[in-house]
Amino acid sequence: AQSVAQPEDQVNVAEGNPLTVKCTYSVSGNPYLFWYVQYPNRGLQFLLKYITGDNLVKGSYGFEAEFNKSQTSFHLKKPSALVSDSALYFCAGGSQGNLIFGKGTKLSVKP
Amino acid sequence: NAGVMQNPRHLVRRRGQEARLRCSPMKGHSHVYWYRQLPEEGLKFMVYLQKENIIDESGMPKERFSAEFPKEGPSILRIQQVVRGDSAAYFCASSLGQTRVNTEAFFGQGTRLTVV
Repeated sequence: AQSVAQPEDQVNVAEGNPLTVKCTYSVSGNPYLFWYVQYPNRGLQFLLKYITGDNLVKGSYGFEAEFNKSQTSFHLKKPSALVSDSALYFCAGGSQGNLIFGKGTKLSVKP
Repeated sequence: NAGVMQNPRHLVRRRGQEARLRCSPMKGHSHVYWYRQLPEEGLKFMVYLQKENIIDESGMPKERFSAEFPKEGPSILRIQQVVRGDSAAYFCASSLGQTRVNTEAFFGQGTRLTVV
């Protein structure tokens, strides 16, 4: 069965420090992978996606993610975290049509 | 472009009542997806529709749940005889094409259903 896993329920980072939110996937065939962010009482917003091409994908708000086929990972990264980045982050992926979502990781950035 | 619009934002129903959740996709989008977000389970796919067609309903519970996307008007997710376990946030997403074909899905703000 296909799955997307986010092993951390919460990530705490100090403002200005780099952040990483982890995601691993188990998808048959060539995967397509997404990151979405959900702010409180809001819908999900698209951050970035990997379909094919460069393994390093740059997205909105200074975020980037690296597709690693050998480790089946698609970790979200940002060089310098902002307090306003605090939100719930969802990794999603699939290969045959519909997106499978991870449970979400709550990112908390403290000043 | 107003984005994906879901209404109502909050819906309270008593056990046994019907809940109707509406989703208007982004202008020009003909693919609609419904997801349910439970507190400990993240987002779960429910159903994928195109205009007048259900493409994939593999995530829909076998009973009480139905969805439609008519030629005119919003997509409707309908839950009959609601139970407490139906309490969740229901998100709708739309896309230009299938999400596997290099198009991202845009999400609405969700409908939070509370069954009392």
